[in-house]
Amino acid sequence: EPEVTQTPSHQVTQMGQEVILRCVPISNHLYFYWYRQILGQKVEFLVSFYNNEISEKSEIFDDQFSVERPDGSNFTLKIRSTKLEDSAMYFCASSNRGPYEQYFGPGTRLTVT
Amino acid sequence: DAKTTQPPSMDCAEGRAANLPCNHSTISGNEYVYWYRQIHSQGPQYIIHGLKNNETNEMASLIITEDRKSSTLILPHATLRDTAVYYCIVRVAYNNNDMRFGAGTRLTVKP
Repeated sequence: EPEVTQTPSHQVTQMGQEVILRCVPISNHLYFYWYRQILGQKVEFLVSFYNNEISEKSEIFDDQFSVERPDGSNFTLKIRSTKLEDSAMYFCASSNRGPYEQYFGPGTRLTVT
Repeated sequence: DAKTTQPPSMDCAEGRAANLPCNHSTISGNEYVYWYRQIHSQGPQYIIHGLKNNETNEMASLIITEDRKSSTLILPHATLRDTAVYYCIVRVAYNNNDMRFGAGTRLTVKP
């Protein structure tokens, strides 16, 4: 069964550094998403992406965040200058039916020290 | 978006049906009811969604009341692997692409 994959599974970085989280969505999907979950808290929507542009973003997704689909298979989330409060699990999701069934990856645990 | 209310936790015996309720009394006519679950720290998993008719798939059944103000997710034969946090989400389908997760119900299936 096709699945969403994410790399790395765990990323440790120092405050102020840039990180790129990578995702490979399911191959025939057209809608892509990033969510995050701070430890012990709820899953929070960050951004949705369709037709090579952002379709919706939350208030969390400020100027330090950016997304890209560089090569038709990968979908990346870049955090330009990480802060301690960016420490969280980041989940990528994809869908071929818009907001209906979204398929989530296993997540990347980002630790900012 | 309509707000949902779920009990914070529930227990269920292995092999029995798990019935998870969700109240969404302010739901509007174009809002769907979605159910996802999250097992431990894994990514959320889609279970089922519906508008007004009852729905069934290989994982679960979704019963939506006639007035659409509440729904019940039914896992017909719960197993230990169904222990997870279950999220009921109400969203308009056509102009919003994100899922807004609340606190959900923590279901514990006991042997």
